[in-house]
Amino acid sequence: DAKTTQPPSMDCAEGRAANLPCNHSTISGNEYVYWYRQIHSQGPQYIIHGLKNNETNEMASLIITEDRKSSTLILPHATLRDTAVYYCIVRVQNTGNQFYFGTGTSLTVIP
Amino acid sequence: NAGVTQTPKFRVLKTGQSMTLLCAQDMNHEYMYWYRQDPGMGLRLIHYSVGEGTTAKGEVPDGYNVSRLKKQNFLLGLESAAPSQTSVYFCASMLTGLYGYTFGSGTRLTVV
Repeated sequence: DAKTTQPPSMDCAEGRAANLPCNHSTISGNEYVYWYRQIHSQGPQYIIHGLKNNETNEMASLIITEDRKSSTLILPHATLRDTAVYYCIVRVQNTGNQFYFGTGTSLTVIP
Repeated sequence: NAGVTQTPKFRVLKTGQSMTLLCAQDMNHEYMYWYRQDPGMGLRLIHYSVGEGTTAKGEVPDGYNVSRLKKQNFLLGLESAAPSQTSVYFCASMLTGLYGYTFGSGTRLTVV
């Protein structure tokens, strides 16, 4: 699976959009981009995933560049409850379908 | 619908003792996984299962064994606990490879 690079930490003002970047320059054509978050020692929570098209659900939007070498997770109106560690993971669908988590981006939403 | 349930939530073991962590899911998911998370670090995959009766090694399998005798349960065993196994253990399940994981709330294990 391709390696991802994320900034270690970010701040965002409450009510503003939080844009979390992820670089995956070695991604291959059959690898998906997944995002999870982990709120203070809880089990991680799946947010969204995509292959090449932009995706949106009730939690967030995922914007993948045309060359697929980077992506951005957008939380449109960040709240204090969005303070968490966000993990960007690139994964090919294979036999095990396992995810390998890095250290992610620690997002702090500031009142 | 309870999702993924891990028992126990907390446990203190003495070095050399054994124990089994239970993960149960009621979503009829095929895939199940055990991870550990050490302070300030990301999750590391211990073992996983792609269906009833199957198991496979992950990144850090040494010192652990697993079994998946029933589709809904995935057991993680520590035969002889060591202080290096002090960690928070998370179980996850997934319906198919198209989806994301559903995680349990974790088991905090301390080995003294």
